[in-house]
Amino acid sequence: GESVGLHLPTLSVQEGDNSIINCAYSNSASDYFIWYKQESGKGPQFIIDIRSNMDKRQGQRVTVLLNKTVKHLSLQIAATQPGDSAVYFCAENKGNTPLVFGKGTRLSVIA
Amino acid sequence: DAGITQSPRHKVTETGTPVTLRCHQTENHRYMYWYRQDPGHGLRLIHYSYGVKDTDKGEVSDGYSVSRSKTEDFLLTLESATSSQTSVYFCAISAGTRSPYYGYTFGSGTRLTVV
Repeated sequence: GESVGLHLPTLSVQEGDNSIINCAYSNSASDYFIWYKQESGKGPQFIIDIRSNMDKRQGQRVTVLLNKTVKHLSLQIAATQPGDSAVYFCAENKGNTPLVFGKGTRLSVIA
Repeated sequence: DAGITQSPRHKVTETGTPVTLRCHQTENHRYMYWYRQDPGHGLRLIHYSYGVKDTDKGEVSDGYSVSRSKTEDFLLTLESATSSQTSVYFCAISAGTRSPYYGYTFGSGTRLTVV
């Protein structure tokens, strides 16, 4: 697999702590949002999604929050583990248009 | 990644030569996408397809063409490779464009170096 040595914002978190990754999206008309995780050497993988008619959605150890007023999306990871170390991307779209991805945040978990 | 493969995985080519990257899926999904990933830019859409012989441009389509003659294959061609096209290329597939089908499945990527 492949990945890119991206010059990204980095979030360093102690193992066991909660992580919060933020994303400012660009299109106020976007009605669907997704978070992806990209591990080193692999393609992005779907984590969780949320529609614009929701403010919050929970998955297993992850929660996505959407604030449409300020066009802000966040991903919360509970009890962060070493396996959570990766680059995280938010993505948005409206209707049936292709996803538009953010630039990503690197999460580094300190054991 | 299950159901989607990209080839080649790595390629080094010379400036001015044509290059074709292949994306093959076994999921029978209607939609296929080509993205490139570069430092500081994240993933940017090159071209996408919404059916056999149906394609459209993305935000960075200049210098690229695509073809989809059958559901399972989506080819990306760099007509005359330039150094600015050195990148990691990802193919993605999706069953539809409305929830619950939005989640793209990505391939493992192709690292292309143009020298």
